[in-house]
Amino acid sequence: NAGVTQTPKFQVLKTGQSMTLQCAQDMNHNSMYWYRQDPGMGLRLIYYSASEGTTDKGEVPNGYNVSRLNKREFSLRLESAAPSQTSVYFCASSVDAPPGSYTFGSGTRLTVV
Amino acid sequence: DQQVKQNSPSLSVQEGRISILNCDYTNSMFDYFLWYKKYPAEGPTFLISISSIKDKNEDGRFTVFLNKSAKHLSLHIVPSQPGDSAVYFCAAGTTNFGNEKLTFGTGTRLTIIP
Repeated sequence: NAGVTQTPKFQVLKTGQSMTLQCAQDMNHNSMYWYRQDPGMGLRLIYYSASEGTTDKGEVPNGYNVSRLNKREFSLRLESAAPSQTSVYFCASSVDAPPGSYTFGSGTRLTVV
Repeated sequence: DQQVKQNSPSLSVQEGRISILNCDYTNSMFDYFLWYKKYPAEGPTFLISISSIKDKNEDGRFTVFLNKSAKHLSLHIVPSQPGDSAVYFCAAGTTNFGNEKLTFGTGTRLTIIP
């Protein structure tokens, strides 16, 4: 099935460890996004990429880096994980029109202990 | 500063009745609005949208109303069904080219009581 694939689905890290969350889409979308979901905070944008080769900060970028490897793949890296980064992470992609036609992945539940 | 607000964290509605979910926004640059539905352990899925040039958009049991002067939108579900139990996120964005990112609200958990 076409869509957005995220790996891994679950991860437990120790404080200070690093990891990369992977995201790939097969819908030929230009734009890709990383959001985090926390209780009472909704979905907050971490980074986004409007096209291959470009990335921009969102609302909560501190502690994260991203790579738009090609049109299909957009990875999120935590260089030194902190307990405050415990969250559910969603990757999404979208077409340019109509606006906001996001397709989300199923999420990665990350716990930092 | 929360630009998109959903002030009701939860809502319970009897099956068959109308569910009304509300959303307020503060940024007057927003010119299109969307509702997403999220089941546990799944990503959000697009439900319905509305452009600021309209005040109503219908899709089956789902209707979104937009009141630009009040900076308020609502989602009506009629009749409500058990499968509608989920978290609903309101989202807003602008149609400026190259600025497709959305701002989401905090979500409302809807429970349909059989």
